[in-house]
Amino acid sequence: GNSVTQMEGPVTLSEEAFLTINCTYTATGYPSLFWYVQYPGEGLQLLLKATKADDKGSNKGFEATYRKETTSFHLEKGSVQVSDSAVYFCALSFGYGGSQGNLIFGKGTKLSVKP
Amino acid sequence: NAGVTQTPKFQVLKTGQSMTLQCAQDMNHEYMSWYRQDPGMGLRLIHYSVGAGITDQGEVPNGYNVSRSTTEDFPLRLLSAAPSQTSVYFCASSPTLTGVNTFGSGTRLTVV
Repeated sequence: GNSVTQMEGPVTLSEEAFLTINCTYTATGYPSLFWYVQYPGEGLQLLLKATKADDKGSNKGFEATYRKETTSFHLEKGSVQVSDSAVYFCALSFGYGGSQGNLIFGKGTKLSVKP
Repeated sequence: NAGVTQTPKFQVLKTGQSMTLQCAQDMNHEYMSWYRQDPGMGLRLIHYSVGAGITDQGEVPNGYNVSRSTTEDFPLRLLSAAPSQTSVYFCASSPTLTGVNTFGSGTRLTVV
């Protein structure tokens, strides 16, 4: 079946450190891939997305590249800030023509950034 | 502000009680869905709707009912609450063909 696997957390980094959160997927077909972020006490917000192989999604200094050959969509940021502390979810979807439709989520990775 | 509104934000129920979690969106989105979030489990889809009058089951539908009588509203009903339904519930909406899923701020439900 279709699934998403994320690296286990929590991840604790110092401010300005480099961030990588690994995400791999199993899917029948070619899904769209997403990273969502959940700040404390809030709902999920879309951080970035990629809809086909080799696409790179980027937003707020975060990047992720859709790698079909390794079925991966790792999230990276060159210099994290305390305000990046949140839970990050990798997700996939097979919605119509790029619509997000039904999302399949990973378990989430909690990031804490220390000043 | 436009978006997805969920009520209540917090709720405590006794086992066997019933209740309805409300979800409303004012963006004229056709697609709406309900997820539950449990520690170490990520979010799992409960039910979804592709338009008024149309609903379908997701990954974990047992114990929940939904209906979609209008484009704006998508309530989630628990007919007989169980402790296993203790969770945080998120409602989301998106346009049918393109666009971003917008999530509500969640309802934290505790069943004792």
